[in-house]
Amino acid sequence: AQTVTQSQPEMSVQEAETVTLSCTYDTSESDYYLFWYKQPPSRQMILVIRQEAYKQQNATENRFSVNFQKAAKSFSLKISDSQLGDAAMYFCAYRYGGSRLTFGEGTQLTVNP
Amino acid sequence: NAGVTQTPKFQVLKTGQSMTLQCAQDMNHNSMYWYRQDPGMGLRLIYYSASEGTTDKGEVPNGYNVSRLNKREFSLRLESAAPSQTSVYFCASSEYYREGYTFGSGTRLTVV
Repeated sequence: AQTVTQSQPEMSVQEAETVTLSCTYDTSESDYYLFWYKQPPSRQMILVIRQEAYKQQNATENRFSVNFQKAAKSFSLKISDSQLGDAAMYFCAYRYGGSRLTFGEGTQLTVNP
Repeated sequence: NAGVTQTPKFQVLKTGQSMTLQCAQDMNHNSMYWYRQDPGMGLRLIYYSASEGTTDKGEVPNGYNVSRLNKREFSLRLESAAPSQTSVYFCASSEYYREGYTFGSGTRLTVV
């Protein structure tokens, strides 16, 4: 069974600084998708970024980018120029084929002014 | 564009009571899901429906039942609520596996 692990339950960053959230996963598949979701205090789940495993190029969305290391099964999220609105719980997730999303445990990010 | 609508947003139940969480999506998605979120455990799949007329168990199905009423609606029922079912429940839908899910806004359920 696929597993997703986020080893950092909590992280903090100063406003305008850069922070990296870690995620590792276990799979025997070669073609799959990885996601980062943001959950602010409103509880809404918001898709931040998506990576297709067969693409070597790391995905970017404005201030959010990933470091995808397929051989190492690592998928970290980098947030540049952190803003107060980035404070949230972040979840890493994996999906293969028609299977369901498997989520990590989450990382609570605090942004300090 | 409502997306995925969940009701209610909050609920308090007494142990042994029953209730149904409602979920509806207006995106014509085939697949729908119910997850529960607990601190330190991420989101865990309770049940899912790959298409209208089918339902399957997920990781933590005990104590729950589901009904895929039609393509739009997927409800989750707690027949006899227990304190261990205190959690935040999310409904979600998707169409293509390369996409993520569209989530509802969640239901915070407390069982006392």
